[in-house]
Amino acid sequence: EDKVVQSPLSLVVHEGDTVTLNCSYEVTNFRSLLWYKQEKKAPTFLFMLTSSGIEKKSGRLSSILDKKELFSILNITATQTGDSAVYLCAVSSGNTGKLIFGQGTTLQVKP
Amino acid sequence: SQTIHQWPATLVQPVGSPLSLECTVEGTSNPNLYWYRQAAGRGLQLLFYSVGIGQISSEVPQNLSASRPQDRQFILSSKKLLLSDSGFYLCAWSRLSGTSGRGSAYEQYFGPGTRLTVT
Repeated sequence: EDKVVQSPLSLVVHEGDTVTLNCSYEVTNFRSLLWYKQEKKAPTFLFMLTSSGIEKKSGRLSSILDKKELFSILNITATQTGDSAVYLCAVSSGNTGKLIFGQGTTLQVKP
Repeated sequence: SQTIHQWPATLVQPVGSPLSLECTVEGTSNPNLYWYRQAAGRGLQLLFYSVGIGQISSEVPQNLSASRPQDRQFILSSKKLLLSDSGFYLCAWSRLSGTSGRGSAYEQYFGPGTRLTVT
């Protein structure tokens, strides 16, 4: 059965800290891995990763994929209170684009 | 640019009543469309997806059905709601963004969602 597992499930840090969120997967017909940020509403797209070892970066957020070890990490540097959210990892399987989601990591950044 | 709409934003319905949630996409043609449900404090579960008009695939057996009467319109329905149908319903569309190994890779974007409470 296809599975996506995120860790930790929750995390509390202080502003300025750096955090690393983990996502591991077991999926047949892997196509891509996607990261989303969800703040009490619909998830917003952060990154899509398809190739191992190539870092995607957007401001203080970055992510990388390891297709051999079947995991990805999402890094957030110099965290701010506005980074508080649930971060969702999803893996796309097959050619229809459908996604299998992990449970999410709830990040709380304290001032 | 592409935009995805969902309505209503919130809905409170009694058990046994019918349901119809609508999703429309603007600014793209022939998108893949998806319905997800998110129960309180849990991850997203794929309910249905569609790769074209009239083409619906169901991912889990349930009390719901989906239809795609037009290219950019996706509808989620139920004839009789159950308490367990409560949740946050999200429509999404995807666009081809590249290739990965043996196949295609799609970026996927979500609508604003409908929060359904069945009482």
